[in-house]
Amino acid sequence: SQTIHQWPATLVQPVGSPLSLECTVEGTSNPNLYWYRQAAGRGLQLLFYSIGIDQISSEVPQNLSASRPQDRQFILSSKKLLLSDSGFYLCAWSSQIPRYTFGSGTRLTVV
Amino acid sequence: QKEVEQDPGPLSVPEGAIVSLNCTYSNSAFQYFMWYRQYSRKGPELLMYTYSSGNKEDGRFTAQVDKSSKYISLFIRDSQPSDSATYLCAMSDGSGGSNYKLTFGKGTLLTVNP
Repeated sequence: SQTIHQWPATLVQPVGSPLSLECTVEGTSNPNLYWYRQAAGRGLQLLFYSIGIDQISSEVPQNLSASRPQDRQFILSSKKLLLSDSGFYLCAWSSQIPRYTFGSGTRLTVV
Repeated sequence: QKEVEQDPGPLSVPEGAIVSLNCTYSNSAFQYFMWYRQYSRKGPELLMYTYSSGNKEDGRFTAQVDKSSKYISLFIRDSQPSDSATYLCAMSDGSGGSNYKLTFGKGTLLTVNP
C-alpha cells in the first residue's frame, strides 16, 4: 500500500534562518507531488506541484522553493525565512486520478 | 465569484444528529468531487470520492453531487463526537495534463457534542 511521510511535525525557526521540509512517498512510482500551505481562515494554498523529477511548477511567487531530486522525494526549502512563512505545510501525492493523499503536515512557526 | 464556496461554520450539533455539509461551485467542468476530513493539527484524509453526478454512501456518510445546480453535499447520520473535525470539499475537472489540480473549499468546522 502507498504511504506518505512528512517531517518534522513541528518546527520553530528564527527569522532569516533556512528551511528544509521533506516528504517521501512509498508504494507507488512517478506520483504527482504537491506542497500546500494552510492558514487559518484562508484554506489550502497550493505552493508547488511536480509531475516528475526536476519538474517543478510554482503556483504563487514567494520566499520558498521546491525540489524533487528523486522520484518519490519532494523538498520544500527557503534560504531566509520570513515571519509570514509561518503556517501548516502539507505534502500530498496523486496518481492517475485527481485524488490526493496528504501527509500529516508540518507546523512551522517563524519567530 | 470564488470557484468553490463553503460555509466555514462553525457548526455545533448534539450527538446522534444528522449533519449536512455543503459546497457550491462555479466551474461547470468539474467532474471529480471529494470530501476530506481534517482533525486538528493533522493532514486531511479522504472521506468520500465521487465522479460526476449522483449519490455515494459509505456507512454513516453519504455524498451527493448535483451538477445541474453546481452543488455538493455530505451527510453524516448518527453523528458521533469522533466526527468533530473540519470538513473540506474539493473538486477537479481532471484536465491539466497529468497534474490533476484540486480546488478546495475553505472547510467547515464541525463539533459534535456528547
